[in-house]
Amino acid sequence: KQEVTQIPAALSVPEGENLVLNCSFTDSAIYNLQWFRQDPGKGLTSLLLIQSSQREQTSGRLNASLDKSSGRSTLYIAASQPGDSATYLCAIDDNAGKSTFGDGTTLTVKP
Amino acid sequence: GAVVSQHPSRVICKSGTSVKIECRSLDFQATTMFWYRQFPKQSLMLMATSNEGSKATYEQGVEKDKFLINHASLTLSTLTVTSAHPEDSSFYICSAQRTGRRNQPQHFGDGTRLSIL
Repeated sequence: KQEVTQIPAALSVPEGENLVLNCSFTDSAIYNLQWFRQDPGKGLTSLLLIQSSQREQTSGRLNASLDKSSGRSTLYIAASQPGDSATYLCAIDDNAGKSTFGDGTTLTVKP
Repeated sequence: GAVVSQHPSRVICKSGTSVKIECRSLDFQATTMFWYRQFPKQSLMLMATSNEGSKATYEQGVEKDKFLINHASLTLSTLTVTSAHPEDSSFYICSAQRTGRRNQPQHFGDGTRLSIL
């Protein structure tokens, strides 16, 4: 059974800092890995999707990496802004289409 | 871009009431939709996979008679919480994926916050 762990559970940084969020998973037989953003009381917004055969994806100030052999992914946020404050979730898709989510990292970017 | 609409966004009702939540893909067809449940400060737990034209597939521990799922068209799935009780209070979120597009992200609704008094 796939288990997804995200560290840290919460992170607070001053505006402008670069930061890294971590995601680890136990079963390397993955189909996709996705990073999502969730604002309080809201649904999820997909940020980046990395296919099993890929090692990283970039979108604007965001860069996500995938290392299947070590069971790790990172989400790098450059030049953080207060608007980046949210909970970031990592999800692993298996070959059957099911997603397993981590518990998320709650990010606070202070002005 | 692809949009998934979930309705209602919030429900407050008495114990014993049945509540229906709708999930619609507005500009794409979705053979498969997913229903998740999220407790406060916890992550999303998959409840069931909704398949158009066939029975839903439920995850272990999810009561299919309690959480009725209907996926009658390629753009609509419904989740009915039957005879809801306070322990059913939670945040329910649906997602949909474009038919035949496994390597594209799932699109999530904005969720439904269910509060049972």
